[in-house]
Amino acid sequence: GAVVSQHPSRVICKSGTSVKIECRSLDFQATTMFWYRQFPKKSLMLMATSNEGSKATYEQGVEKDKFLINHASLTLSTLTVTSAHPEDSSFYICSASSADNYGYTFGSGTRLTVV
Amino acid sequence: GDSVTQMEGPVTLSEEAFLTINCTYTATGYPSLFWYVQYPGEGLQLLLKATKADDKGSNKGFEATYRKETTSFHLEKGSVQVSDSAVYFCALTKIYNQGGKLIFGQGTELSVKP
Repeated sequence: GAVVSQHPSRVICKSGTSVKIECRSLDFQATTMFWYRQFPKKSLMLMATSNEGSKATYEQGVEKDKFLINHASLTLSTLTVTSAHPEDSSFYICSASSADNYGYTFGSGTRLTVV
Repeated sequence: GDSVTQMEGPVTLSEEAFLTINCTYTATGYPSLFWYVQYPGEGLQLLLKATKADDKGSNKGFEATYRKETTSFHLEKGSVQVSDSAVYFCALTKIYNQGGKLIFGQGTELSVKP
């Protein structure tokens, strides 16, 4: 079945540094990638939607300069949290979709802790 | 706008009990409906889906029927196991298979005790 590999699974970084999270679709071409943020015991908040080769579409209230999303190929999308601060600590999850995939496949998530 | 509402959790059941998690939605047109499950520290896994009214999705003993008249997609299982303990999310999309975004309910935590 369709698999999305998300790395790293956990990362701890110092305040002010940047962190990159990768999502790769292993056996299908992901024409659309979604990035979510999940707070403890809360639902998933959609941050942005990206189509391969295009600029990401950000949800209202999400800082596009802080959360940089790149979807340069049909199998790879990255989320970079720039100048991270403790309030950016969260669980980030990606999801990939394509017409061939008939649905949405989620990565396993990345636990970001900013100290 | 479109939205999904789930029953509040946490839900605590004994093993082999009957499970119902309510989900209702608000959306124009004919959305596709989903149930996802999330185990601690992991991403989401698709549990089941239904893409049109009266469809029944089923998987691993779980079932949900797409009821357009009541705008509902309640999740049921006849006999839960400890291994079913997880958070369950109901979701909808208006543009299935074409990159449409998923709209999630708030999630319902299920805890099954032996």
